[in-house]
Amino acid sequence: DADVTQTPRNRITKTGKRIMLECSQTKGHDRMYWYRQDPGLGLRLIYYSFDVKDINKGEISDGYSVSRQAQAKFSLSLESAIPNQTALYFCATSDLISLERLTDTQYFGPGTRLTVL
Amino acid sequence: ILNVEQSPQSLHVQEGDSTNFTCSFPSSNFYALHWYRWETAKSPEALFVMTLNGDEKKKGRISATLNTKEGYSYLYIKGSQPEDSATYLCAFSRNTGGFKTIFGAGTRLFVKA
Repeated sequence: DADVTQTPRNRITKTGKRIMLECSQTKGHDRMYWYRQDPGLGLRLIYYSFDVKDINKGEISDGYSVSRQAQAKFSLSLESAIPNQTALYFCATSDLISLERLTDTQYFGPGTRLTVL
Repeated sequence: ILNVEQSPQSLHVQEGDSTNFTCSFPSSNFYALHWYRWETAKSPEALFVMTLNGDEKKKGRISATLNTKEGYSYLYIKGSQPEDSATYLCAFSRNTGGFKTIFGAGTRLFVKA
């Protein structure tokens, strides 16, 4: 079973609709992230959370919001989707208590391909 | 704004060729340099993480080196195989306040049998 799961895997929606992308992890990691990937660009950080009570904006948070419902769950919402939010979205986790925490090695979900028409 | 630059953007090689890519990053406030391998339709997976100037890591036919003073890392693949075809992402972690890890755009490798 996958350690980091994302739902849905693919979604087509219309401009103005509210969309929620969900991420769950069984790795027991404290840190969770949402990225978007566009062709020719690197992974760009949208939001991140270091524990259940912690939410931080990333590089491109405008138009997005998040909710950290539990250590294992981190949801990304697009309140009113627009076409330039069409992208591949990744959730990732990293660990605060292993040796790797000092280096922030991240573990990625399978991605959600979102198309906004 | 911190930039992580990877070159080339894409690379086509024949099976058996050896190849290398470059990742350039800011040399100040260095914390760690990561390489990830991202196969089509899959998730990025960590290959290496390096933290000290002069670090070298190796996994099978793939190896990486790190120069933190001049701000670059090389990834080498010896005797490329078709299964090496993937995008190789570099990510730089900094040790100042705020979010720490920034990804490059990747080098897309195509290995032809």
